[in-house]
Amino acid sequence: DSGVTQTPKHLITATGQRVTLRCSPRSGDLSVYWYQQSLDQGLQFLIHYYNGEERAKGNILERFSAQQFPDLHSELNLSSLELGDSALYFCASSPWDRQNSPLHFGNGTRLTVT
Amino acid sequence: GESVGLHLPTLSVQEGDNSIINCAYSNSASDYFIWYKQESGKGPQFIIDIRSNMDKRQGQRVTVLLNKTVKHLSLQIAATQPGDSAVYFCAENTGANSKLTFGKGITLSVRP
Repeated sequence: DSGVTQTPKHLITATGQRVTLRCSPRSGDLSVYWYQQSLDQGLQFLIHYYNGEERAKGNILERFSAQQFPDLHSELNLSSLELGDSALYFCASSPWDRQNSPLHFGNGTRLTVT
Repeated sequence: GESVGLHLPTLSVQEGDNSIINCAYSNSASDYFIWYKQESGKGPQFIIDIRSNMDKRQGQRVTVLLNKTVKHLSLQIAATQPGDSAVYFCAENTGANSKLTFGKGITLSVRP
């Protein structure tokens, strides 16, 4: 068990809808990272927050947004969903600001858009 | 279980043999490298990491080798067990925005 909790585990929704994925990092970790994993793209970095502030953006669509709250949990909001957004979404956490130490991943949320 | 990579290259090894999983990285300025294991239905699990000032690091049954000259990283698993069957990812810290960039992954299949 990595100590990172993601909810829900599975989410099925229709095109055009909006969903929120939630992540609780390991106790004491200040950084939260979001990754998308699809069959043909592997693990793609979306966004990084450190202690409530956005630190870096990767291949995140404008329809997607995230935030990290004062209690350090994070939410990833996906709107105007398209079929191609179906994927596994992972959250990872670490104590540090830089990704030069191991990230600890949750077990992901599987999003299916129909 | 859930599949995370239907089109990944596969390495098949006999139980008890040693496994070598190879990875070519892209950026000569990368200073941190890491290997993850992902089992079906789970998130990536940290195995071992290495910094660019080293060329070898050993863990329990695993060894990571780094060859900066040819930008090559390998993961060696000794006495491979059925529980080692999973998808393995290498990742590098490319420096820019200090984010980890993951490779596509390799499926390790252990034959009993």
